[in-house]
Amino acid sequence: EVQLVESGGGLIQPGGSLRLSCAASGFTVSSNYMSWVRQAPGKGLEWVSVIYSGGSTYYADSVKGRFTISRDNSKNTLYLQMNSLRAEDTAVYYCARVSSGYIFDPWGQGTLVTVSS
Amino acid sequence: DIQMTQSPSSLSASVGDRVTITCQASQDISNYLNWYQQKPGKAPKLLIYDASNLETGVPSRFSGSGSGTDFTFTISSLQPEDIATYYCQQWFTFGPGTKVDIK
Repeated sequence: EVQLVESGGGLIQPGGSLRLSCAASGFTVSSNYMSWVRQAPGKGLEWVSVIYSGGSTYYADSVKGRFTISRDNSKNTLYLQMNSLRAEDTAVYYCARVSSGYIFDPWGQGTLVTVSS
Repeated sequence: DIQMTQSPSSLSASVGDRVTITCQASQDISNYLNWYQQKPGKAPKLLIYDASNLETGVPSRFSGSGSGTDFTFTISSLQPEDIATYYCQQWFTFGPGTKVDIK
């Protein structure tokens, strides 16, 4: 069964750092495009970052320079390193496999990141 | 950047009603348009890909159509379990969502 399980969320002070993990099963992370999407409380979906199978990475302007997407092939796990966190980064963060370059499926269950003092 | 709009932003309909949601892109995106369902407290779920293809396992009451800049998502007979927010998406841009409730 294809499955994604996120972890690493929590309460963090503004300016702090956090690393999210997304453990995959049923498929190989390194052979796929993988992405992070977030959803602020009561708001819609916002794409955050993508890593292509070849290793290229891209970011939304709102997180560029602060967030880093990466993967560990030996652990079949996707990561999102989040630095210089701001209140507006508060959201549920989902990881998703991206098929055909733009189809997000499946999604993980999400992990909540709260940035607050 | 391509912008996506959806209408309506919310709707209430009765069980058995036909429900239609529209999504418009700011420029031609061919058929690169997907639809997702998100139930409260849950992750989004892919329903329709490439504008009109039903994802495996998704009930046939859901359908999609359109190409270019104008797209339509339809629930032919609304069921109580369809209460959710529906999002269109092209590449790395999601529409603002349409919240569907039961009247």
